[in-house]
Amino acid sequence: DQQVKQNSPSLSVQEGRISILNCDYTNSMFDYFLWYKKYPAEGPTFLISISSIKDKNEDGRFTVFLNKSAKHLSLHIVPSQPGDSAVYFCAASDRGGSYIPTFGRGTSLIVHP
Amino acid sequence: DAGVTQSPTHLIKTRGQQVTLRCSPKSGHDTVSWYQQALGQGPQFIFQYYEEEERQRGNFPDRFSGHQFPNYSSELNVNALLLGDSALYLCASSSSGRITNYGYTFGSGTRLTVV
Repeated sequence: DQQVKQNSPSLSVQEGRISILNCDYTNSMFDYFLWYKKYPAEGPTFLISISSIKDKNEDGRFTVFLNKSAKHLSLHIVPSQPGDSAVYFCAASDRGGSYIPTFGRGTSLIVHP
Repeated sequence: DAGVTQSPTHLIKTRGQQVTLRCSPKSGHDTVSWYQQALGQGPQFIFQYYEEEERQRGNFPDRFSGHQFPNYSSELNVNALLLGDSALYLCASSSSGRITNYGYTFGSGTRLTVV
């Protein structure tokens, strides 16, 4: 049973527009959430995170929103750039699990010039 | 500053054989975690090593075992390989002093193909 779900396997966006990647989770114990970005032939790299005590965290062009009641988070990229084309993984963790992240299946983002 | 180094990058093994994958953590990191990423899936947690002991384990059979050496490097061993073990195996290192896991640094992985 998947505890972290990314229901959109792929997303295509025009350069300069907003990219919105969605993630849902089922485990109510999760209290720390992360987004990782992965290019082909490379390992995932950390992008941005959010604690459950917040509902928004911003870092440059990247913003993560957390809706605890809906068990939903989203990653917004504004403006999108061709170099953002990659697979984005949503991950969640909790203190009981020693904060070891549980990953979703990923969403492949393609940003067209 | 070298990040996480994994070897080999690619490997082909026959069903029933045994395989050993290796990982050197990022400088300053003392904790190593292993993940399996099957095609079209997200990384699945196998186990984590700290102070040369397995600290946490995911839902993987005993065919998957590991080791951590005094220099913090680690090995992942898989016995009696199955076709379903074909995947990208990722090693991630972190510092035990940081409970938030943005400290995870991943290697580029070892692509294992079982035929």
